[in-house]
Amino acid sequence: QKEVEQDPGPLSVPEGAIVSLNCTYSNSAFQYFMWYRQYSRKGPELLMYTYSSGNKEDGRFTAQVDKSSKYISLFIRDSQPSDSATYLCAMISNNAGNMLTFGGGTRLMVKP
Amino acid sequence: NAGVTQTPKFRVLKTGQSMTLLCAQDMNHEYMYWYRQDPGMGLRLIHYSVGEGTTAKGEVPDGYNVSRLKKQNFLLGLESAAPSQTSVYFCASTSRGPYNEQFFGPGTRLTVL
Repeated sequence: QKEVEQDPGPLSVPEGAIVSLNCTYSNSAFQYFMWYRQYSRKGPELLMYTYSSGNKEDGRFTAQVDKSSKYISLFIRDSQPSDSATYLCAMISNNAGNMLTFGGGTRLMVKP
Repeated sequence: NAGVTQTPKFRVLKTGQSMTLLCAQDMNHEYMYWYRQDPGMGLRLIHYSVGEGTTAKGEVPDGYNVSRLKKQNFLLGLESAAPSQTSVYFCASTSRGPYNEQFFGPGTRLTVL
């Protein structure tokens, strides 16, 4: 079993929809939680990161962490075609090399 | 600033051939990483370095070697390529300290025939 599980999709939604992307994890040592966005044939870019349980909002994006359930989510409001990408969750425990553990990624397509 | 750059962008190898992938960063970052990305597998860590002259194994190190002779460069070597090493390889770097953002390069697409 992978440490971090993520539905691969693809997820296809109409423009303007609310999108929910999710990851579950098994390692309770994970302390920081991140969402990376990866456009086709590009490297991943950090979108959001959170530490504590609860919500963190940044524009149209909201990251949610529930440590008790080992579950994290990313919500995208008013989705746009430019949001079409693969979204990777990533997690880090207190390790010396700041190593990240990634989920498999969810491919999102927002249709105009 | 160029950020993180990778050379080459594409490469096709025959089984048994060797090659070196070069990663360079101009952000004075201490930590550097090599990942491979395969469909549905996310990014898996191959090797990493926490400073010049240091390297360590990640999740999938077999068949790869690395060197960090200069702070700004991190080299990934394949001594005898195998078809299972067909993948997209990403380099990343970050500054020292907990939980800092990793900056990724554009990737190298490698096919081993």
